[in-house]
Amino acid sequence: QVQLQESGPGLVKPSGTLSLTCAVSSGSINSGTWWSWVRQPPEKGLEWIGEISHGGSTNYNPSLKSRVTILLDKSKNQLSLNLTSVTAADTAIYYCANNGYYSIHHWGQGTLVAVSS
Amino acid sequence: EIVLTQSPGTLSLSPGDRATLSCRASQSVSSYLAWYQQKPGQAPRLLIYGASSRATGIPDRFSGSESGTDFTLTVSRLEPEDFAMYYCQQYRSSPPGYTFGQGTKLEIK
Repeated sequence: QVQLQESGPGLVKPSGTLSLTCAVSSGSINSGTWWSWVRQPPEKGLEWIGEISHGGSTNYNPSLKSRVTILLDKSKNQLSLNLTSVTAADTAIYYCANNGYYSIHHWGQGTLVAVSS
Repeated sequence: EIVLTQSPGTLSLSPGDRATLSCRASQSVSSYLAWYQQKPGQAPRLLIYGASSRATGIPDRFSGSESGTDFTLTVSRLEPEDFAMYYCQQYRSSPPGYTFGQGTKLEIK
């Protein structure tokens, strides 16, 4: 079963850029599947951010599309998330995940990112 | 935009009871509906995909069904470890992406 591990700064300043990486193990990022980022503000529900295919095609949540970039680094078997112009509303646990049949099958443990000065 | 409405917001039951959780879509989502379980401090876990297919390793007391735009997750006999938050999720094809319901909290009565 694929293993996913998110990493990155736990604190980002307002108007800055949130940058996270997700290391994929026990599987290849070239495996023919799609990979997603999902976030969850404290004590709130889940919000899908976007996804990327093994070929580099992307789909983003329309509400975040202007600020989000998801990339693959096949040499490192990892994916990344960049979210620009962050505000306190972007404070959340960020999960990377592996898609399955129109659903999200495997999840990383998540990483908490706070936006604060 | 398709909206998923989960009900009830909170469900209070006892171990051994049958739990029925509802997820209503504002328009057709075909069978692209999934259910997740989330416990405090943990990532969500996929339970059901394609409206009624159990994910790998999920006990058969969990089942999913659909009737038009109404989807149901049933837990036939609650175990202590089943008390958690549950989310439904749909996939849309235009534009491509996923939407989650607001969740149902299943708590011990």
